Amino acid sequence: GAVVSQHPSWVICKSGTSVKIECRSLDFQATTMFWYRQFPKQSLMLMATSNEGSKATYEQGVEKDKFLINHASLTLSTLTVTSAHPEDSSFYICSASQGAPTYEQYFGPGTRLTVT
Amino acid sequence: AQSVTQLGSHVSVSEGALVLLRCNYSSSVPPYLFWYVQYPNQGLQLLLKYTSAATLVKGINGFEAEFKKSETSFHLTKPSAHMSDAAEYFCAVRAGANAGNMLTFGGGTRLMVKP
Repeated sequence: GAVVSQHPSWVICKSGTSVKIECRSLDFQATTMFWYRQFPKQSLMLMATSNEGSKATYEQGVEKDKFLINHASLTLSTLTVTSAHPEDSSFYICSASQGAPTYEQYFGPGTRLTVT
Repeated sequence: AQSVTQLGSHVSVSEGALVLLRCNYSSSVPPYLFWYVQYPNQGLQLLLKYTSAATLVKGINGFEAEFKKSETSFHLTKPSAHMSDAAEYFCAVRAGANAGNMLTFGGGTRLMVKP
């Protein structure tokens, strides 16, 4: 149980285009989903937290107009990188949580984004 | 606020040797502590977690960790390393049971296993 999927697993896009990454909880309802960014050989950096039906809460320094997050249902959250640039190339990982009582986060397999 | 420090960004051991990955935390409230493993180009897999019950926690793949409040540590160990243990390991802290979901990660330790 507690499986989280991400799609696509990798994507290459041209500079200036937008790309959408999906995060799905396959066998549970996720009241909260998280989006992380991971640069090569570095730790995970939390970008934003989203609750179903609410606006996402972005961490300091993360541009909300560039990284659009939608959490339209209890099993799906999307991250759209708008007007992507090469510096947006990174590994993006989502996680999902059912909330109380454990608040445990279940992580997706990640999406490798390369902007050319 | 909480923080995590993982001493040693790279650890190299021989196959069959003891694995010790260090994690120290800072938390203003009793913490929940986690160890995750990440294989190349994959997400994070939970190895084990401490949630205020037994201080010695056993996880998957033969790993265990001991919570030591006096040392603010939660080091990860495995008696005998396998080649398949080569991966990136992350320690993370959450500020207790009622802090919601927020995890704070350490910088990670890359474990290399030599044949």
